Amino acid sequence: KNEVEQSPQNLTAQEGEFITINCSYSVGISALHWLQQHPGGGIVSLFMLSSGKKKHGRLIATINIQEKHSSLHITASHPRDSAVYICAVHMDSNYQLIWGAGTKLIIKP
Amino acid sequence: KAGVTQTPRYLIKTRGQQVTLSCSPISGHRSVSWYQQTPGQGLQFLFEYFSETQRNKGNFPGRFSGRQFSNSRSEMNVSTLELGDSALYLCASSIGYGYTFGSGTRLTVV
Repeated sequence: KNEVEQSPQNLTAQEGEFITINCSYSVGISALHWLQQHPGGGIVSLFMLSSGKKKHGRLIATINIQEKHSSLHITASHPRDSAVYICAVHMDSNYQLIWGAGTKLIIKP
Repeated sequence: KAGVTQTPRYLIKTRGQQVTLSCSPISGHRSVSWYQQTPGQGLQFLFEYFSETQRNKGNFPGRFSGRQFSNSRSEMNVSTLELGDSALYLCASSIGYGYTFGSGTRLTVV
């Protein structure tokens, strides 16, 4: 079993829909990242969370430390949101990042 | 401020050759980590350097090695290239929990 599980693996939605991507982890963590990767490879860090909720524009990230679960929400989705969204956690035992497999999101106009 | 710079962006090598990739971190970032991304495996952690010392290492064979210089720039070396080493190699520089990624080097082994 992977230490970081993301769901769904693939998600296709219509423009304007509310999107939720989930991340569950089984290890003790000190922080969790949500990252975005567009075709071509570049990775952009969206959020770093250790508790609660963060919002940036149409993106919202939440984390529940007790339940070992985080969600990334996209409101009023747009085709330019199409990308792979990756969850990664910092283990609290060392500095290493553990990566989820990513969620491939396609937003259709 | 300048981002993380990886060179070269694209590289084609022949099986059996060796390759060196470079990563220049954001000024002030002392930690550099390297990742391999393949379509089937996703992102796999290679190693992390902090102040010229390898702090963590992933599960890759000894053909994969790295080093970090006193200016925090890091290099990654792969010897005796195999077809399966074809991948996007990403580096990230970090300070605390803040990570910034380079655009990657796309290596094709033929």
